Amino acid sequence: GAVVSQHPSWVICKSGTSVKIECRSLDFQATTMFWYRQFPKQSLMLMATSNEGSKATYEQGVEKDKFLINHASLTLSTLTVTSAHPEDSSFYICSASVSGPDTQYFGPGTRLTVL
Amino acid sequence: QKEVEQNSGPLSVPEGAIASLNCTYSDRGSQSFFWYRQYSGKSPELIMFIYSNGDKEDGRFTAQLNKASQYVSLLIRDSQPSDSATYLCAVIAQGGSEKLVFGKGTKLTVNP
Repeated sequence: GAVVSQHPSWVICKSGTSVKIECRSLDFQATTMFWYRQFPKQSLMLMATSNEGSKATYEQGVEKDKFLINHASLTLSTLTVTSAHPEDSSFYICSASVSGPDTQYFGPGTRLTVL
Repeated sequence: QKEVEQNSGPLSVPEGAIASLNCTYSDRGSQSFFWYRQYSGKSPELIMFIYSNGDKEDGRFTAQLNKASQYVSLLIRDSQPSDSATYLCAVIAQGGSEKLVFGKGTKLTVNP
């Protein structure tokens, strides 16, 4: 149980295009979903926290107009990187929480490369 | 700025030895502490969490927490080559938030 999927697992796009990443909790309903970004040899950095049906809460320094988050249901959250640039190339990881941080389950991640 | 510090390593131990991984955190009000394992190119997986001062054991893993020193560690007994990975320490601050603040991780290599 407690499986979180992400799609796609990797994506390569041209600079200026938009990319959508899906995060799904497959066998549970997540009260909260989190989006992280991890650059090579760096820590996971939280980008935003989202709850179903409400606006996402973005961390300081994360542009909400560039990283659009939609949490349409208790099992699906999407992250859209708009007008992607090479510096947005990173490993994007979502997690879903049922009740509390010890029930925060991570997806397998999406590697984005912007050319 | 809430920070979590880890020695980036690499830490190299022989198979069967005890690996000791350390982490310090800056927010004295932190309440919850986590250790994750991350294989290269993969997402983190939870190994253990600890909330109270002292030791917590789970199989070959022991987490140790000392809130007065703002220090948390992970011991891996009988290390195996499959334990070779980057170990991430993560902390949740006080206030009921679920937001995890991660350290940069320590890369562990277990040599056969």
